[in-house]
Amino acid sequence: QVQLQQWGAGLLKPSETLSLTCGVYGGSFSAYYWNWIRQPPGKGLEWIGEINHTGTTNYNPSLKSRVSISVDTSKNQFSLKLSSVTAADTAVYYCATYGSGSSLDYWGQGTLVTVSS
Amino acid sequence: AIRMTQSPSSFSASTGDRVTITCRASQGISNYLAWYQQKPGKAPKLLIDAASTLQSGVPSRFSGSGSGTDFTLTINYLQSEDFAAYYCQQYYSYPRTFGQGTKVEIK
Repeated sequence: QVQLQQWGAGLLKPSETLSLTCGVYGGSFSAYYWNWIRQPPGKGLEWIGEINHTGTTNYNPSLKSRVSISVDTSKNQFSLKLSSVTAADTAVYYCATYGSGSSLDYWGQGTLVTVSS
Repeated sequence: AIRMTQSPSSFSASTGDRVTITCRASQGISNYLAWYQQKPGKAPKLLIDAASTLQSGVPSRFSGSGSGTDFTLTINYLQSEDFAAYYCQQYYSYPRTFGQGTKVEIK
């Protein structure tokens, strides 16, 4: 059973860099792709990107110029960085991964990141 | 990017009702579709994978169908714990995309 625990700064100023980390407990870290998804307050879900244990990434083109997802296999962790944030980046950010199928079966608890001057 | 369009965006229903939510993809995605349930303040929960495969532990009153561009999520005999938001998501191609969500509210 995979469990995801995420952490990171919750309040940023415009132009700063968002940084979140997700720890993976249980399961095989090399077996899956590890995802980041976000949800602005009161709105729907947006897929940000994913990474596997070798560092292969897939990003949403809408954010690609500002996003970097990395992995630390020694710690079973993966991280999200989003540069030059604005108020439009205010959202709950989730880490997530796949189960036995190809859908997102395991989710972190979510981290509210607020961008405000 | 493939656009996923859900309908309706929200509606009111009563316990015991049978409800259907539709999801349409802007291009064919075979059966590469998932349905999620999300309650306020919580992470989404996977209900259905591969358009119609019910996840372990999900009540059998939930069912999914469809292939290609048109999909449905059906909840038979709506229970109080089913009042929530529901999202479809395609994983046929990158970027992964979600529908805008359907909020099921108590009538």
